[in-house]
Amino acid sequence: KNQVEQSPQSLIILEGKNCTLQCNYTVSPFSNLRWYKQDTGRGPVSLTIMTFSENTKSNGRYTATLDADTKQSSLHITASQLSDSASYICVVSARSGGGADGLTFGKGTHLIIQP
Amino acid sequence: ETGVTQTPRHLVMGMTNKKSLKCEQHLGHNAMYWYKQSAKKPLELMFVYNFKEQTENNSVPSRFSPECPNSSHLFLHLHTLQPEDSALYLCASNPPGQGYGYTFGSGTRLTVV
Repeated sequence: KNQVEQSPQSLIILEGKNCTLQCNYTVSPFSNLRWYKQDTGRGPVSLTIMTFSENTKSNGRYTATLDADTKQSSLHITASQLSDSASYICVVSARSGGGADGLTFGKGTHLIIQP
Repeated sequence: ETGVTQTPRHLVMGMTNKKSLKCEQHLGHNAMYWYKQSAKKPLELMFVYNFKEQTENNSVPSRFSPECPNSSHLFLHLHTLQPEDSALYLCASNPPGQGYGYTFGSGTRLTVV
């Protein structure tokens, strides 16, 4: 069964600090992995998308890594800002299978940045 | 705005009411989706439309009825809902291919009283 597990479930850090969120998956056959940021009461917004051949991708202060061998990904946030407070969702796309949309969603990590 | 617009943003309805959620995209995408997002759960796929044709109904109760009159518009008709149906309902659209353009709307926060 395709699954995406994220950790930690929630995280509180001080403004200006760095943090790393984890995503482990068992989706097969793998197509791509995405990280989304979801502000409270809003829809998810794409941060990064990585295919099998990519092991790192950056979007400003966000850097995602992918280890397709161990089926793990991480999202590193540098110099956190109050606006980074949100849920971060890991989504893995299968070339076939998964849901009818081909996507398997994690439950997300709820990140709170404190001043 | 992401290019996928959902209305209303918030909706409170009684269990005997009938209401509709609307989703609109002008990104040229041919696939549209409805998702349900409940607290502390992954997004749950409800319905999939490709080129206006429903290709998936993910075991959704009949009190939820989708409608896709054209490739740019998607509706979710609601009737006789239950309190446990309270959730954030998200619409998404996708161009053909591996889904690199997968785009979500801002959602409708539904409360059933």
